[in-house]
Amino acid sequence: DGGITQSPKYLFRKEGQNVTLSCEQNLNHDAMYWYRQDPGQGLRLIYYSQIVNDFQKGDIAEGYSVSREKKESFPLTVTSAQKNPTAFYLCASSGRVQNTGELFFGEGSRLTVL
Amino acid sequence: AQKVTQAQTEISVVEKEDVTLDCVYETRDTTYYLFWYKQPPSGELVFLIRRNSFDEQNEISGRYSWNFQKSTSSFNFTITASQVVDSAVYFCALSASGSARQLTFGSGTQLTVLP
Repeated sequence: DGGITQSPKYLFRKEGQNVTLSCEQNLNHDAMYWYRQDPGQGLRLIYYSQIVNDFQKGDIAEGYSVSREKKESFPLTVTSAQKNPTAFYLCASSGRVQNTGELFFGEGSRLTVL
Repeated sequence: AQKVTQAQTEISVVEKEDVTLDCVYETRDTTYYLFWYKQPPSGELVFLIRRNSFDEQNEISGRYSWNFQKSTSSFNFTITASQVVDSAVYFCALSASGSARQLTFGSGTQLTVLP
C-alpha cells in the first residue's frame, strides 16, 4: 500500500547527541514536509522540500537539518543545538499538481531527551 | 499574518450524541483555503475536507458536516450520531494560497466519545 513510513516510532536521546528521524514515501509525491507537534499546540513547520536536492526552512528550523537526495526520502536530524527537542515529529507529503494543502502524514516519531 | 483558533481543548460526548467542533480563523487575504484534519491515537493526521473562501456552501459527507460562514470567520465541524471510533484530535487549518507551505494549524480539539 502507498503511504509514508516514519522510523523509529519512539526514540530516546541524551542531551548533546544528534539524532536522525527517517521518513520514506512511496506515493511518488514531489513535496515533503517535517512538522513538530507539542502538547496542546498545533503543528509547526520545520522544513519542507518541493523537489529533490532542494529544501527550505519552515517556521522553526533552528536546531534542525534535512537532506533530500532521493524523491522518496526526507530524513530530519535533530541536532544538539535544538534547545527543546522533546516532541512528536510528523512527516508529510503532497503531490505537486495536487499541492492544495492536502497532506498525507506518517504515524510520527516521538523523541524524548533524557 | 493568519491565525486559527480552536477554543475547545477537550470535548467528551456519549455515543450517538451530535457534537460540533468550533474553528475561528483570521486572515487578511480574500482568497484562502480552510481544512480539517483528524489525528487518531495512531498519530498520523488524516485529511477530511478542504474548502475555498469563495464556496460558502455547507458540505455533508456521511455523518460529517461542515458549516462555513465568512461573516463570522468560522468553519465549524459537526459529527452526527458520534461513534467511539470518532475519538481523536481534530485540527482546523488555514492556507492563504492553498499551499501546504503556508498552512497554519489550530491547536486542536480532543474529542472523546464514550460508549
